Amino acid sequence: AQSVTQLDSQVPVFEEAPVELRCNYSSSVSVYLFWYVQYPNQGLQLLLKYLSGSTLVKGINGFEAEFNKSQTSFHLRKPSVHISDTAEYFCAVTDTGTASKLTFGTGTRLQVTL
Amino acid sequence: NAGVTQTPKFQVLKTGQSMTLQCAQDMNHNSMYWYRQDPGMGLRLIYYSASEGTTDKGEVPNGYNVSRLNKREFSLRLESAAPSQTSVYFCATSSEGVYGYTFGSGTRLTVV
Repeated sequence: AQSVTQLDSQVPVFEEAPVELRCNYSSSVSVYLFWYVQYPNQGLQLLLKYLSGSTLVKGINGFEAEFNKSQTSFHLRKPSVHISDTAEYFCAVTDTGTASKLTFGTGTRLQVTL
Repeated sequence: NAGVTQTPKFQVLKTGQSMTLQCAQDMNHNSMYWYRQDPGMGLRLIYYSASEGTTDKGEVPNGYNVSRLNKREFSLRLESAAPSQTSVYFCATSSEGVYGYTFGSGTRLTVV
């Protein structure tokens, strides 16, 4: 079984500042990793995913994440945030063998202010 | 969230009442999932269906039943609602495993 830890429940940041949202996972087998974003009163949208290959993954809206196998991490970064990035962000994992269902972290609320 | 439709969007139930949450997709995806979202707990898998006619339990199946009658529809039933089932419920679909879930917009359920 896999698990995901998002240590920061809330991250406040000023507009145009950089941000990093942390995600650590636990698994005894190889994994696929995902970041999803949830805007208020909406469902979740896929931001980016790591399946294989380059450990630096670029997603939509200027976000990127880096897979670090030795540290079992998949942190999400953006060099300059906008007010419209205010949302909840979820990290998720599944094993490469079955790849049948995702296990989600508890989420990080990103609050961008002027 | 074009492609995955959940109904109803909001519902208030009294303890002990039953109801069915509906999910329909037009994306021709094989796999469908039901999650519940609670504050501070993220999304937890209730049930999933890898293909038409098959269903499997997820992390928190107690108090729920599901039906996958055809490829398009996957319903979630609460036989006797309890306050602990107050939550936001999301349906999701995927093709070829988890190469990107598509989520519905959710059903906000309150049990009083």
